[in-house]
Amino acid sequence: DSGVTQTPKHLITATGQRVTLRCSPRSGDLSVYWYQQSLDQGLQFLIQYYNGEERAKGNILERFSAQQFPDLHSELNLSSLELGDSALYFCASSVAGGAPTEAFFGQGTRLTVV
Amino acid sequence: EDKVVQSPLSLVVHEGDTVTLNCSYEVTNFRSLLWYKQEKKAPTFLFMLTSSGIEKKSGRLSSILDKKELFSILNITATQTGDSAIYLCAVVGWGKLQFGAGTQVVVTP
Repeated sequence: DSGVTQTPKHLITATGQRVTLRCSPRSGDLSVYWYQQSLDQGLQFLIQYYNGEERAKGNILERFSAQQFPDLHSELNLSSLELGDSALYFCASSVAGGAPTEAFFGQGTRLTVV
Repeated sequence: EDKVVQSPLSLVVHEGDTVTLNCSYEVTNFRSLLWYKQEKKAPTFLFMLTSSGIEKKSGRLSSILDKKELFSILNITATQTGDSAIYLCAVVGWGKLQFGAGTQVVVTP
């Protein structure tokens, strides 16, 4: 168990809908990273938050947004969902924002858009 | 643009063989290189490398970083079927953790 908690584990929703994925980082970790992993692609970096502020942005669509709350948990909001958004969404956390440190992953949320 | 490239994409070996996985990178503000093993779900951490030429070892796995030539290798000796997985390389730049596409390793009995 990495100590990173993601909910829900599975999500099935229709196209056009909106969902929220939740991540609780390991105790003491200030950074949260969000990744998307689909069948034909590797881990795609979406966005990173550090201590409540956006730190880095990757290939995140405008339909997606995220935030990190004062208690350091993070939520990834996906709206106007399309079939192609079906993927495994991982959250990872680490202690620091940019210094060398390993990141630990949650078990992921599998999103299926039908 | 930052890049992390892993090779090969996949390989199949027999139990007992040795495998060598490669990871090359071009990342601004390089901080460290990480190796992960992904089986069914979440990637699990293997190594973090920050200095050139210093080998990290854990059982049958070892890894080394070359910051001049911008690559790392991950070796697995005396492979077992339990080593079958996707091995991911990730590079930490300032504020960003970027992954390669991974190498799928299949170890057959």
